[in-house]
Amino acid sequence: SQQGEEDPQALSIQEGENATMNCSYKTSINNLQWYRQNSGRGLVHLILIRSNEREKHSGRLRVTLDTSKKSSSLLITASRAADTASYFCATGAPDSWGKLQFGAGTQVVVTP
Amino acid sequence: DAGVIQSPRHEVTEMGQEVTLRCKPISGHDYLFWYRQTMMRGLELLIYFNNNVPIDDSGMPEDRFSAKMPNASFSTLKIQPSEPRDSAVYFCASSPTGGVTEAFFGQGTRLTVV
Repeated sequence: SQQGEEDPQALSIQEGENATMNCSYKTSINNLQWYRQNSGRGLVHLILIRSNEREKHSGRLRVTLDTSKKSSSLLITASRAADTASYFCATGAPDSWGKLQFGAGTQVVVTP
Repeated sequence: DAGVIQSPRHEVTEMGQEVTLRCKPISGHDYLFWYRQTMMRGLELLIYFNNNVPIDDSGMPEDRFSAKMPNASFSTLKIQPSEPRDSAVYFCASSPTGGVTEAFFGQGTRLTVV
């Protein structure tokens, strides 16, 4: 069963715009991760945020985590056509070392 | 390291046939995961191993599915007999520890059962 639910399911923006997607989850976590999947490829890790962190940055990526609301957001600033992909959040539970539960993903299309 | 290597990349088989998917994790990684991805159900964790031992196989859909990890550098996922509803992309992933760390995914095996 899926732990995370991404919102929106799909997002279409133009190059240079920012893309924001959200992830909500149901049970306690010790970390939340975001992955990208290009069409026909495997998932690639983008960023990890621990449950005791509230915000994290990596290049053009900004992730927030609100454990009281059981939600996270991923912001991609100044998007590029190469950012076109599906983005997934994944949660790790405190009592299940290494096990990640993935959400359904947000499909992002960035047009030049 | 070449990353997680899966074979074959594509597999087309007839219903009732046995299918074996293979995975070579990144050297030194203690954890290995098998996921299945479909449009309807998204990305599902089927089973994962720690130091070659199965830890949680609660995601394995039926007894037709089995997974082994005979050594630290090789794992198989077998479906016998295969059914059309098994058609999906199967991913193998590995991670260096079971703690708070990322998973490294292979390119996946696209399975089509006709």
